[in-house]
Amino acid sequence: GENVEQHPSTLSVQEGDSAVIKCTYSDSASNYFPWYKQELGKGPQLIIDIRSNVGEKKDQRIAVTLNKTAKHFSLHITETQPEDSAVYFCAPPPGANNLFFGTGTRLTVIP
Amino acid sequence: DGGITQSPKYLFRKEGQNVTLSCEQNLNHDAMYWYRQDPGQGLRLIYYSQIVNDFQKGDIAEGYSVSREKKESFPLTVTSAQKNPTAFYLCASKRVGNQPQHFGDGTRLSIL
Repeated sequence: GENVEQHPSTLSVQEGDSAVIKCTYSDSASNYFPWYKQELGKGPQLIIDIRSNVGEKKDQRIAVTLNKTAKHFSLHITETQPEDSAVYFCAPPPGANNLFFGTGTRLTVIP
Repeated sequence: DGGITQSPKYLFRKEGQNVTLSCEQNLNHDAMYWYRQDPGQGLRLIYYSQIVNDFQKGDIAEGYSVSREKKESFPLTVTSAQKNPTAFYLCASKRVGNQPQHFGDGTRLSIL
């Protein structure tokens, strides 16, 4: 199956600073790259996704960048707020119906 | 509103007992999934189903069983063979192909 590595595993930032989380993958056939946010006691929710025909996508304070040559994609959160504190997962599906999640990054935004 | 519903939210299992976790979706999604999440850990795939009456084992299927008799429903049974069942169980569904997964809010299973 797909080999997914996510870094860092934990990240603490001051409120207002930026946070960046990176995922690397192994399957060159991957062409869809979602990011999920999981709040305590809840299921993960999609926050942003990108397809391989673009290199960057933004949605307000959240952006995702994709480098297909290097096989990695990153989540960028700017002007972080306390409500951004959660666990974030990347998941590049290998084009079929399996889904392999990264190990998650616990983001803490310090007020 | 369309969504995916897991029940119960909390479940307790006695020694030697099988328990069944419910997962229902009204999103008309073909594919459904069960994951296990241990404290501070990522998601591990237990079983998945791409179509009614068909399902495949994931990475950690031992001690679990599923059925997919209806498109909307994908119940997970944690059998007595699963020696360490305490975990947070998440169900998800998605359309076929490169689409995002929609998750329920999970069931937390504990041992009495």
